[in-house]
Amino acid sequence: SQQGEEDPQALSIQEGENATMNCSYKTSINNLQWYRQNSGRGLVHLILIRSNEREKHSGRLRVTLDTSKKSSSLLITASRAADTASYFCATRSYSGAGSYQLTFGKGTKLSVIP
Amino acid sequence: EPEVTQTPSHQVTQMGQEVILRCVPISNHLYFYWYRQILGQKVEFLVSFYNNEISEKSEIFDDQFSVERPDGSNFTLKIRSTKLEDSAMYFCASRTTLLAIKETQYFGPGTRLLVL
Repeated sequence: SQQGEEDPQALSIQEGENATMNCSYKTSINNLQWYRQNSGRGLVHLILIRSNEREKHSGRLRVTLDTSKKSSSLLITASRAADTASYFCATRSYSGAGSYQLTFGKGTKLSVIP
Repeated sequence: EPEVTQTPSHQVTQMGQEVILRCVPISNHLYFYWYRQILGQKVEFLVSFYNNEISEKSEIFDDQFSVERPDGSNFTLKIRSTKLEDSAMYFCASRTTLLAIKETQYFGPGTRLLVL
């Protein structure tokens, strides 16, 4: 199977509710990052968590990382209609080369209903 | 805030034609990347570029693809003879070597390529 699989594939919630998205991966990683993509647009970096970190916060975002389970979660609290987008996790594996290529999951499509 | 820009935003081409996708990375960044996203699928790594040479490339990046930094600001992806399956959104990204933020790649808005 693939590196960086998110679930659910789609999530629909009411404004003000919390949204939780999960990501699983297969290989050892150096770090895991979450990106947002508004429909048909570019990828916006949200947050990065390193392999030696367990939890990180940024504004309404909370990311956890469990390297023993090879999984991460992204929590968006008090969601807003503007949070409607696709959310991707991306992993950077350990690599002898310095290119830091990212491996993306298929994403979770979040719809926040006003 | 500095950002990665890409041109054109959309490109339609005939199968077999050559296309060049252009990117202007953030000015003090030294690592550059191309990724692509076929409609409804994952974002896939194509190639990374540093110090005027390819650092890594994926299996997708075959002999039909090439990258170039023709001057101090542009970074291009050329597809020599486009195929239908090259239709995708192509993203350019760049990153700095500054220790605190070197892991973060900044993506451009993408070029949507349609091969007919």
